[in-house]
Amino acid sequence: SQTIHQWPATLVQPVGSPLSLECTVEGTSNPNLYWYRQAAGRGLQLLFYSVGIGQISSEVPQNLSASRPQDRQFILSSKKLLLSDSGFYLCAMAPTVSGNTIYFGEGSWLTVV
Amino acid sequence: DQQVKQNSPSLSVQEGRISILNCDYTNSMFDYFLWYKKYPAEGPTFLISISSIKDKNEDGRFTVFLNKSAKHLSLHIVPSQPGDSAVYFCAASSGAGGTSYGKLTFGQGTILTVHP
Repeated sequence: SQTIHQWPATLVQPVGSPLSLECTVEGTSNPNLYWYRQAAGRGLQLLFYSVGIGQISSEVPQNLSASRPQDRQFILSSKKLLLSDSGFYLCAMAPTVSGNTIYFGEGSWLTVV
Repeated sequence: DQQVKQNSPSLSVQEGRISILNCDYTNSMFDYFLWYKKYPAEGPTFLISISSIKDKNEDGRFTVFLNKSAKHLSLHIVPSQPGDSAVYFCAASSGAGGTSYGKLTFGQGTILTVHP
């Protein structure tokens, strides 16, 4: 079965500091990978998706970037965090052979202070 | 523009009764719909889905109904249990093929509380 590992689980970072959230998946090859964010009191917003190594598509303009250096690794980064970057970040994957269902990791709480 | 809407921020039901969670969408290109359950500080868990070629899908206590003409779907939980208390998100997709790449558009979520 597919599993998604995401870390760190919680993070408190000062404004202007860099960010790196990592996600790895197991049990599948060539998955579609996604980064979502849940801001306080809001739904889940798609930030980035990737259909293959080195292929990144951004859904909304923002202070963040994503990279996929390996088939099962997806990284969310920022060079300088803003207060508005605070939120709950979720890595997700869709096994390309099994249709539309997306499965989520455990999530990472980011608080920018 | 909110393409997927859950107009009820919260719902409270008694244990053993039916919970009905509603969701509306505006994009007629959506053809696949999902419901997720989420506990605080955890990732959403997939519950049930339905393709636009169907109007009902059932899995145990969970049933999803789709009314394409009204662009409305609902999740029924029968009987409701205290462990069902969580935030429920509906999501929509315009298919895994083509350029959609399985991307989901989520509603804002509904907080379900089931009282013993």
